[in-house]
Amino acid sequence: DSGVTQTPKHLITATGQRVTLRCSPRSGDLSVYWYQQSLDQGLQFLIQYYNGEERAKGNILERFSAQQFPDLHSELNLSSLELGDSALYFCASSVGLGVDGNTIYFGEGSWLTVV
Amino acid sequence: AQSVSQHNHHVILSEAASLELGCNYSYGGTVNLFWYVQYPGQHLQLLLKYFSGDPLVKGIKGFEAEFIKSKFSFNLRKPSVQWSDTAEYFCAVRNYNNNDMRFGAGTRLTVKP
Repeated sequence: DSGVTQTPKHLITATGQRVTLRCSPRSGDLSVYWYQQSLDQGLQFLIQYYNGEERAKGNILERFSAQQFPDLHSELNLSSLELGDSALYFCASSVGLGVDGNTIYFGEGSWLTVV
Repeated sequence: AQSVSQHNHHVILSEAASLELGCNYSYGGTVNLFWYVQYPGQHLQLLLKYFSGDPLVKGIKGFEAEFIKSKFSFNLRKPSVQWSDTAEYFCAVRNYNNNDMRFGAGTRLTVKP
């Protein structure tokens, strides 16, 4: 158990819908990262938050957004869902910014299936 | 932006065989390097990481990796694999300057008993 908690574990929804994925980082971790793992694109970095502020942005679509709340949990919002958004979405956390040598710990992921 | 290449998509070995998984990246600046493992149905776990110092890094479960800066490589090795090493292995590179972290496509390792 990495200490990173993600909900829901599985989610099935229809195209055009909107979903919210939730992540609770490890206790004491200030950084939260979101990744998308799909069969054709592999593991892709989406976005990082540090202590409530957006810190780094990767290949995140405009239909997707995220935020980190004062209690440090984070939500990834996916809207206007398309079939291609079906993937495993990982949340990860680290104590610091990441480049300071701290390990990034991954949650178990949220499986999203768009039908 | 940096990219990460893992040369092998699927590697099949017998138990006790030696393993080397290739990883190359394409960024010329300062990087942090990682290998993660994902066992079937589980989340990614850190095997080892390189930030600075000795380019030969030892990780958990008998894995090691060598950072060769001139070759932009960070290959993962294990002298003798076990059936329990069957998993997917991901190399990752983080740009030290902007914290952008990229993963390779992954290499699936199957170890036959």
